[in-house]
Amino acid sequence: SQQGEEDPQALSIQEGENATMNCSYKTSINNLQWYRQNSGRGLVHLILIRSNEREKHSGRLRVTLDTSKKSSSLLITASRAADTASYFCATDRTDSSYKLIFGSGTRLLVRP
Amino acid sequence: EPEVTQTPSHQVTQMGQEVILRCVPISNHLYFYWYRQILGQKVEFLVSFYNNEISEKSEIFDDQFSVERPDGSNFTLKIRSTKLEDSAMYFCASGHAGNTIYFGEGSWLTVV
Repeated sequence: SQQGEEDPQALSIQEGENATMNCSYKTSINNLQWYRQNSGRGLVHLILIRSNEREKHSGRLRVTLDTSKKSSSLLITASRAADTASYFCATDRTDSSYKLIFGSGTRLLVRP
Repeated sequence: EPEVTQTPSHQVTQMGQEVILRCVPISNHLYFYWYRQILGQKVEFLVSFYNNEISEKSEIFDDQFSVERPDGSNFTLKIRSTKLEDSAMYFCASGHAGNTIYFGEGSWLTVV
């Protein structure tokens, strides 16, 4: 598999529930970034977590990073129908020119 | 909030034609990128650009592709002779080393 693989590939939840998406990667990183993409639209930056950080919060978003397991998770609490989108993790590898390598993404559907 | 802007938002072109996609990165950023996303697939890195030269490119970025920063504000991607498989959403992005990378809304390219 490639750098930055998310699971699940698709997730369907009821409005108000929490959504958890996971991301795994293979090589050492400087940071890991999460993005949201509405269908056919651009990539909206959500949160950046550095390799020396374990957890970050932004509003209803909580991101964790476990560098020993090479994994990260994105938790969206109290989900809303407007959170329906694809969510991607992207890693900034230490051996690269600060480019991001994207995972396959998780398609989140929040049912009203 | 500053943003990356891309033009055109949509372009339809005949196979074999040249296409130029334009981007205005965020003004004080030093790293610039092009990515593409074929419909329904993951976001793929094409090229990174720093200090007026390509710093890294992927296997996708073959001799048919070129990038240019013709002045202090624009960053362009040229596809010399388009193929059907070049049909995709092309994203421009910019950022500082090791920090958040911001993406534009994308340019949909359809090659017919």
